[in-house]
Amino acid sequence: DAGVTQSPTHLIKTRGQQVTLRCSPKSGHDTVSWYQQALGQGPQFIFQYYEEEERQRGNFPDRFSGHQFPNYSSELNVNALLLGDSALYLCASSLNNEQYFGPGTRLTVT
Amino acid sequence: AQSVSQHNHHVILSEAASLELGCNYSYGGTVNLFWYVQYPGQHLQLLLKYFSGDPLVKGIKGFEAEFIKSKFSFNLRKPSVQWSDTAEYFCAVNANSGYSTLTFGKGTMLLVSP
Repeated sequence: DAGVTQSPTHLIKTRGQQVTLRCSPKSGHDTVSWYQQALGQGPQFIFQYYEEEERQRGNFPDRFSGHQFPNYSSELNVNALLLGDSALYLCASSLNNEQYFGPGTRLTVT
Repeated sequence: AQSVSQHNHHVILSEAASLELGCNYSYGGTVNLFWYVQYPGQHLQLLLKYFSGDPLVKGIKGFEAEFIKSKFSFNLRKPSVQWSDTAEYFCAVNANSGYSTLTFGKGTMLLVSP
């Protein structure tokens, strides 16, 4: 049984560009959450998707948007990238209030 | 909104020493509590969790944590650490609202010297 997978593993972008990160949840999980982990910090909740709708959102600007597909996979989009968006982006899928995390995508904005 | 505070950012121990990592949260309602571990180069893994019942919970690899409701605390313990326990440890809380979203502390980096 594959766990949560994310792609790509690493990404380098320039300020002002747009980026799309992808996540496939663990088999049987229908809820996907995204977190941003800056260096030396704990993960911060961005938003959660369930039944293809954004169900909860953390304190992130509208530049951060997402999507969930009928097969429960998800995308995180970030527009107008800033240097401060450099971080590890984690996807987690959940069942029964327990979240399972993927390996993350390391985004560097130059 | 809930918040989580972890007392130490870095902890250095020798093998066989006892470990206690502090975690306090602020939230007035019912919570679910978690400790996650991130070994070097690996993804976040669940170490243990508390939803209800016995406030002393046991997790993987000999770790345990005690929920003290009156102190809003959920401290992680291990009687004797090993070099392989070197990792970053995160305490997290989920307000028991039916959603599974987590609020994390800033993490504690544990370095165990052989």
